[in-house]
Amino acid sequence: EDQVTQSPEALRLQEGESSSLNCSYTVSGLRGLFWYRQDPGKGPEFLFTLYSAGEEKEKERLKATLTKKESFLHITAPKPEDSATYLCAVESSTNAGKSTFGDGTTLTVKP
Amino acid sequence: EAQVTQNPRYLITVTGKKLTVTCSQNMNHEYMSWYRQDPGLGLRQIYYSMNVEVTDKGDVPEGYKVSRKEKRNFPLILESPSPNQTSLYFCASSHRFGQGNEKLFFGSGTQLSVL
Repeated sequence: EDQVTQSPEALRLQEGESSSLNCSYTVSGLRGLFWYRQDPGKGPEFLFTLYSAGEEKEKERLKATLTKKESFLHITAPKPEDSATYLCAVESSTNAGKSTFGDGTTLTVKP
Repeated sequence: EAQVTQNPRYLITVTGKKLTVTCSQNMNHEYMSWYRQDPGLGLRQIYYSMNVEVTDKGDVPEGYKVSRKEKRNFPLILESPSPNQTSLYFCASSHRFGQGNEKLFFGSGTQLSVL
């Protein structure tokens, strides 16, 4: 059974204080690992897709990295508007189309 | 505008009264999927569809039905809703197969309460 564990559950940062969110996964062959941002009461919004260990992707203050067992979402010099819940998901290559999400990390950035 | 449209946004019903939540996408996506999200938890997949007339169970399919007769529509049917199906539901869609940076587009959600 595929599993995704995100840590920490909640993270409070001061504006400008860089940090990382962790996503540990077990999957029977990784087709892709996905990061999404979710604001309260809204649908998740796509951030990144990573396909193989060693891959990295960046967008503004966010950078996602991938190893064979985990992914990190690095947030550099965060701003209050980065406050949201960040979700990680994996899709198995042996069961394409079936996705497993973690419970998310709720990030709060104080000005 | 590219979007996934779910209706209704809010729904209150009673136990046992059949209901349908509609989902439509205008991006010609092959893949569509339904999720439920309960407080403090991530998304759990209910059913997904790789293309027209092809549907498969996710992790929590019990009590739900789906159909994919047209590419753009993927309705979620609760034939006999029960209180444990009270949840926030999301529909999503994406391109598949060699599209590179695959990503799910999500609808705005349907908050369902079963009394």
